[in-house]
Amino acid sequence: DSGVTQTPKHLITATGQRVTLRCSPRSGDLSVYWYQQSLDQGLQFLIQYYNGEERAKGNILERFSAQQFPDLHSELNLSSLELGDSALYFCASSGEYYGYTFGSGTRLTVV
Amino acid sequence: AQSVSQHNHHVILSEAASLELGCNYSYGGTVNLFWYVQYPGQHLQLLLKYFSGDPLVKGIKGFEAEFIKSKFSFNLRKPSVQWSDTAEYFCAVNSPNSGYALNFGKGTSLLVTP
Repeated sequence: DSGVTQTPKHLITATGQRVTLRCSPRSGDLSVYWYQQSLDQGLQFLIQYYNGEERAKGNILERFSAQQFPDLHSELNLSSLELGDSALYFCASSGEYYGYTFGSGTRLTVV
Repeated sequence: AQSVSQHNHHVILSEAASLELGCNYSYGGTVNLFWYVQYPGQHLQLLLKYFSGDPLVKGIKGFEAEFIKSKFSFNLRKPSVQWSDTAEYFCAVNSPNSGYALNFGKGTSLLVTP
């Protein structure tokens, strides 16, 4: 157990639907990062939140959004899902710029 | 553009063979360098990291990496691999300019045969 909790572990949904992925960071970590891992694109940085505020944005589609709540957990919302959104979505947390801890990921399958 | 390149996509080695996985990055300014490992079905785990100081970094499980600034490289090495080292290996870089978000290479799949 890495200390970063992601739910659900697996998600199967239909095209056009919307899903929410949840991440609870390691205790004390203020930063949350979201990554998408797919076979063709590899590990892509999506977005970072620090203490509730968006800090950095990567290759995140407009159909995707995220937020970090006062208790520091974060949610990644994926809408108008397409087949190509099928991937493993990882969350990582850090207290400082070098202490990243990754969760086990949510495997999203869009059918 | 900032990028991280891993040269070997698939590597197959016999147990006890030596390992070297290449990683080059294209970044300006200060960088921090990382190697992560992902065992089948598991999350990414940090093997080692470099921020400053001695360019030869030792990590967990007998891995080490050498930062060569002039070559923009951070190659991962292990003198003698074991079957349990079979995994995906990712090189990653971050910098203050990117909010310290990790930029990953495409990964190298290592298969160690008995």
